[in-house]
Amino acid sequence: DQQVKQNSPSLSVQEGRISILNCDYTNSMFDYFLWYKKYPAEGPTFLISISSIKDKNEDGRFTVFLNKSAKHLSLHIVPSQPGDSAVYFCAASDPAGNNRKLIWGLGTSLAVNP
Amino acid sequence: DGGITQSPKYLFRKEGQNVTLSCEQNLNHDAMYWYRQDPGQGLRLIYYSQIVNDFQKGDIAEGYSVSREKKESFPLTVTSAQKNPTAFYLCATSTGIETQYFGPGTRLLVL
Repeated sequence: DQQVKQNSPSLSVQEGRISILNCDYTNSMFDYFLWYKKYPAEGPTFLISISSIKDKNEDGRFTVFLNKSAKHLSLHIVPSQPGDSAVYFCAASDPAGNNRKLIWGLGTSLAVNP
Repeated sequence: DGGITQSPKYLFRKEGQNVTLSCEQNLNHDAMYWYRQDPGQGLRLIYYSQIVNDFQKGDIAEGYSVSREKKESFPLTVTSAQKNPTAFYLCATSTGIETQYFGPGTRLLVL
């Protein structure tokens, strides 16, 4: 039972255009959300995060939007560059109990075409 | 040079053999995690440790064991009881709040 869902396994965009990656979650108690980027055969790299008390967080070309009522967040990359081609994982922080864990989506593979 | 080191990069296991994957960090982070990634899949939590000498099972702990004798080290042993060990193994650390930082990974293959 996936608590964090990335419904698009793959996405293809043209260089210079906007990439929008989506993530849905089911548990309204999640209070912190993160996006990671992963190249093949490497560990994920932290990109950007957002607290549930905010609805937007921006860092350079990356912006994350959070819609708590819809239990939905999205990552916008503008402008997209070929080096952005990677798998992007959405994760949610579960505050239940004394040990925080991250709940992960299955990832979306982004291809940015020159 | 701060960071997370995983060794080896590739590891081969024979049938019935236990193998140990190393994870070392000098970030002074309290929490450490082991994940497994299979092709086309997300990250699945194997074990995690919030402090030295304490660890908890994750979602897929069967066939694995860990120890946390030092803050800097969190080795993972893949035992012979793990029937499908071929995967990419990732170690992560955090201050215990939210953001986790990952090592480069170890790919385990079965001969």
